[in-house]
Amino acid sequence: EADIYQTPRYLVIGTGKKITLECSQTMGHDKMYWYQQDPGMELHLIHYSYGVNSTEKGDLSSESTVSRIRTEHFPLTLESARPSHTSQYLCASSEYTGDGANVLTFGAGSRLTVL
Amino acid sequence: QKEVEQNSGPLSVPEGAIASLNCTYSDRVSQSFFWYRQYSGKSPELIMSIYSNGDKEDGRFTAQLNKASQYVSLLIRDSQPSDSATYLCAVITGNFNKFYFGSGTKLNVKP
Repeated sequence: EADIYQTPRYLVIGTGKKITLECSQTMGHDKMYWYQQDPGMELHLIHYSYGVNSTEKGDLSSESTVSRIRTEHFPLTLESARPSHTSQYLCASSEYTGDGANVLTFGAGSRLTVL
Repeated sequence: QKEVEQNSGPLSVPEGAIASLNCTYSDRVSQSFFWYRQYSGKSPELIMSIYSNGDKEDGRFTAQLNKASQYVSLLIRDSQPSDSATYLCAVITGNFNKFYFGSGTKLNVKP
């Protein structure tokens, strides 16, 4: 059972609104990530964080911003939503396994529709 | 060139058959490799991880890694209709904190 939580699961909003997608994990993981995925398409990394006060942009350019003030919390914000932002946003965190590698665990996702 | 390449499929197999999924990666220094399963509308879930050349078995699943040829494969034995999903190959590259995903192979297991 995943210990990474995303809210809201579904959001329908109008163009120009500011939205924040919440992501929290209870596992104490340092590394957290945001991926964007359109239906039937591949995952694209848009933001990641190595720890508190650390944020980096991913490989896909995104107008969203993120913050990491607490280890367990990694919210994503869109200041002015547009229809092109309609997508599924997946939050993830990673931990070291016993054999020294990272394993990535995903939240359930937030499906955003901008009208 | 993409970091991770997969055949998008769909791959169709009859129930009880072996499904074989393949993945190639471009960065020779990659050290960690993963297979995730994603059902439609759901988030990916980890099936297997593999870090050394050779085979790794877990129940009906076997992951195979060949670093010299830069490919990873996943075999699913005794395929079930519940295995029908998109299978994502993922790699951690030399930048050890970033996971790169392939576009996924859609598997259909027909009853």
